[in-house]
Amino acid sequence: DADVTQTPRNRITKTGKRIMLECSQTKGHDRMYWYRQDPGLGLRLIYYSFDVKDINKGEISDGYSVSRQAQAKFSLSLESAIPNQTALYFCATSSVGGPTGELFFGEGSRLTVL
Amino acid sequence: SQQGEEDPQALSIQEGENATMNCSYKTSINNLQWYRQNSGRGLVHLILIRSNEREKHSGRLRVTLDTSKKSSSLLITASRAADTASYFCATPQGGSEKLVFGKGTKLTVNP
Repeated sequence: DADVTQTPRNRITKTGKRIMLECSQTKGHDRMYWYRQDPGLGLRLIYYSFDVKDINKGEISDGYSVSRQAQAKFSLSLESAIPNQTALYFCATSSVGGPTGELFFGEGSRLTVL
Repeated sequence: SQQGEEDPQALSIQEGENATMNCSYKTSINNLQWYRQNSGRGLVHLILIRSNEREKHSGRLRVTLDTSKKSSSLLITASRAADTASYFCATPQGGSEKLVFGKGTKLTVNP
C-alpha cells in the first residue's frame, strides 16, 4: 500500500458543487501539505499543517479550506467549485523541520470542474 | 511566488547521452532539492544539497550548487528511456519550512 494515499484519484464535477479531496498517510509524519499543479505553472502550495492543531495558508488558499482530522489525515475542500480550480492536486508529507526535509507525495487527485 | 526556475523548459536527448538541467533561485537558501515526476504521477525526491555543499552524487545523478550565483544544476549521466520525466527544483521559501517548486524541465530520452 502507498505511504500517502489520495482519494479520489479522478473526479469530474460541476460548477458550484462542494468537493472534498482526502489524504491519509502511514508514514507517521507530522507535517502535511496540499499542492496544486497546473500545466506550465509548476506546483503551488494551497495549505499546510505542521500538526493537528496547526493549519496555515499557502500561496493560493482562496476558494479552499482544509481539515486536519488526525495526524494521519488531511482533507482539502472546495466549498463551491469553479472551472479554474480544474487541476491536479497533490498531498505531501514530511517529517523534519528546518532545514526542510524531503517531501513524500501522493499519486495525485485530478479534478475537473465543468 | 516562484522561487526556483528551471532551464530549459524542455530537453530531448538520445539514450546514452548526458542531460543537464539548471535551476536559478532568488533568495538565500539553506538547501535545495530536486524531484522527479513521471507523467501524471506524484513527485519523487531525488536529492537534497545543503548550502554548505558544492556538489553531491547519487548513482547517475550529480547535483551542483553555486550559492554566489544562486543556481544549481542536475546532471543525469548515461541517460535511459526510463529517465523520461519532468524534473523540479525546490527551495525553502524565505526562512520558512515551506518548499517552493519551480515550473520544471520536461526531459525526453529517446531510445
